[in-house]
Amino acid sequence: GQQVMQIPQYQHVQEGEDFTTYCNSSTTLSNIQWYKQRPGGHPVFLIQLVKSGEVKKQKRLTFQFGEAKKNSSLHITATQTTDVGTYFCAGNYGNKLVFGAGTILRVKS
Amino acid sequence: GAGVSQSPSNKVTEKGKDVELRCDPISGHTALYWYRQSLGQGLEFLIYFQGNSAPDKSGLPSDRFSAERTGGSVSTLTIQRTQQEDSAVYLCASSLTDYSGNTIYFGEGSWLTVV
Repeated sequence: GQQVMQIPQYQHVQEGEDFTTYCNSSTTLSNIQWYKQRPGGHPVFLIQLVKSGEVKKQKRLTFQFGEAKKNSSLHITATQTTDVGTYFCAGNYGNKLVFGAGTILRVKS
Repeated sequence: GAGVSQSPSNKVTEKGKDVELRCDPISGHTALYWYRQSLGQGLEFLIYFQGNSAPDKSGLPSDRFSAERTGGSVSTLTIQRTQQEDSAVYLCASSLTDYSGNTIYFGEGSWLTVV
């Protein structure tokens, strides 16, 4: 079935260090979306990537979509304590949005 | 409304009882989704509505789960004969049309605890 694998499950970084989470799908995606969920909160949309090889930036966040539209990554440069939360990718298979398991990010100050 | 509204925000129920969870999507959004999130877990797709019809019900875990949407707006997720494994946060989301190219907005969720 349609499945999105996301790694790592958990990452604990020192403030100022970089962070990356990766998503992989076994089949080609229509697009991929990224969400952030703060502790105790609900997922909030960050960005959508549609084109093969697309790269988008939001301040310290860089999002990439693979050439084959089967994988994606989110990279945070110089993490801050405000970055803590769970980052989910969600693969769009055209008729269904399937979420990855999420990567929990903790930042030590 | 300004955002997706869900009620109740918290519900504790006894095993075997039925529960109803309500979602009021953003005004004008034709697509509505239900997801479930168990503690510390990812988001599990349950059902998707386009207008009042549900083209994809594949995520409903058992026949104890049902959902309906009326007037292209409010949706109700019903869980019959609740079990302890049903304990989770039930998240509703809506978008302008459907998944493709549209931002999905989530509600705060309904926290269900079955004791």
